[in-house]
Amino acid sequence: DGGITQSPKYLFRKEGQNVTLSCEQNLNHDAMYWYRQDPGQGLRLIYYSQIVNDFQKGDIAEGYSVSREKKESFPLTVTSAQKNPTAFYLCASSIWGRASGTDTQYFGPGTRLTVL
Amino acid sequence: DAKTTQPTSMDCAEGRAANLPCNHSTISGNEYVYWYRQIHSQGPQYIIHGLKNNETNEMASLIITEDRKSSTLILPHATLRDTAVYYCIVRGGLRGAAGNKLTFGGGTRVLVKP
Repeated sequence: DGGITQSPKYLFRKEGQNVTLSCEQNLNHDAMYWYRQDPGQGLRLIYYSQIVNDFQKGDIAEGYSVSREKKESFPLTVTSAQKNPTAFYLCASSIWGRASGTDTQYFGPGTRLTVL
Repeated sequence: DAKTTQPTSMDCAEGRAANLPCNHSTISGNEYVYWYRQIHSQGPQYIIHGLKNNETNEMASLIITEDRKSSTLILPHATLRDTAVYYCIVRGGLRGAAGNKLTFGGGTRVLVKP
């Protein structure tokens, strides 16, 4: 099956610990994104990557880090510097490079992180 | 990106058409209207998008007014599985990150009733 996978679905961590969320896609998409969603709220962009070995901060990048060593993978690390890490984290991917900038983003199932 | 305004919630009868309105009065000429939906605790699902013309796919139809200041998503025969939060998003047609970012507002919570 083609698509985006995120693991694990639920993740629990103690306060002060770094945690890495996985995102893998086999759609051959160039661009990948990380969003955060809080209860009853819309999505907010954390980081995005247009191509391998390149990524850019989104609107709420503080306390997060990413890497893009492979086209199909875009892991997100939630560091201890993130003040309110408990949230639903969503990964997305899309084609990149078309002049219109209108390429559709497709989402993974999400990871629900709870920091105790 | 232009802001959108949607009703907070709406109910729909199973088997009937669901018409979801969205206002985007500040939309600019190169911005697209996108619709996603999110079922509880799942990732958003792409539904449809359009620029000027009406669009239809296997999931829904999108009707955009001539002045492009509003649009309506139509689910032709709503089922219980269509219960979700529906997001109307306006995306810039700019090259680069500014055009590719999705800004989700509060959406419309749609409840399909038997």
